Amino acid sequence: AQKITQTQPGMFVQEKEAVTLDCTYDTSDQSYGLFWYKQPSSGEMIFLIYQGSYDEQNATEGRYSLNFQKARKSANLVISASQLGDSAMYFCAMREGEYTGNQFYFGTGTSLTVIP
Amino acid sequence: EAGVTQFPSHSVIEKGQTVTLRCDPISGHDNLYWYRRVMGKEIKFLLHFVKESKQDESGMPNNRFLAERTGGTYSTLKVQPAELEDSGVYFCASSQDRLAQFNEQFFGPGTRLTVL
Repeated sequence: AQKITQTQPGMFVQEKEAVTLDCTYDTSDQSYGLFWYKQPSSGEMIFLIYQGSYDEQNATEGRYSLNFQKARKSANLVISASQLGDSAMYFCAMREGEYTGNQFYFGTGTSLTVIP
Repeated sequence: EAGVTQFPSHSVIEKGQTVTLRCDPISGHDNLYWYRRVMGKEIKFLLHFVKESKQDESGMPNNRFLAERTGGTYSTLKVQPAELEDSGVYFCASSQDRLAQFNEQFFGPGTRLTVL
């Protein structure tokens, strides 16, 4: 079974609007971390935001926020006030367990296009 | 601080040939990971080094893949002989050895491997 599911292969958003990228995860561990990465067309993977399983507040980093719903096992990324430079591939990832060196599990990604 | 670097950025080889990918992690990062993304699919874990030791190689597809990490610094991933299904983007990532639940993995730009 997939540990990370991203059901939106492609998304479009108007510039300056907000957009939500969906991510659901599957784990039986109590300790885990959720990460979002952005991959622009240049190819590098850029870390955006992190949510720990024990964190009670939703994580925020500038225009990025993570809508963490633990009971539903979802960790959706919200980008507010979209900019043209937000056009990229977005990957949700999870690290399971207490050991912080464990591998990441990734979803298939969502391609976001921001329309002027 | 220099990021994770990978060489080459692209490689096109014929089936049956050998290719060696190189990754230089961020200086001081004990953890080094290899991942692969086949077109349209999720990024999949291949293996994890802690310094020069293989911590987890459960994602290595078969014995045509050989990874090494000399002296706990840079790493190489050799594919010999390459098959068509080995085509994809190979990412290297590194992270510190930390106890905190948040432990970001820093990714390189990837090597795009095409096997003809």
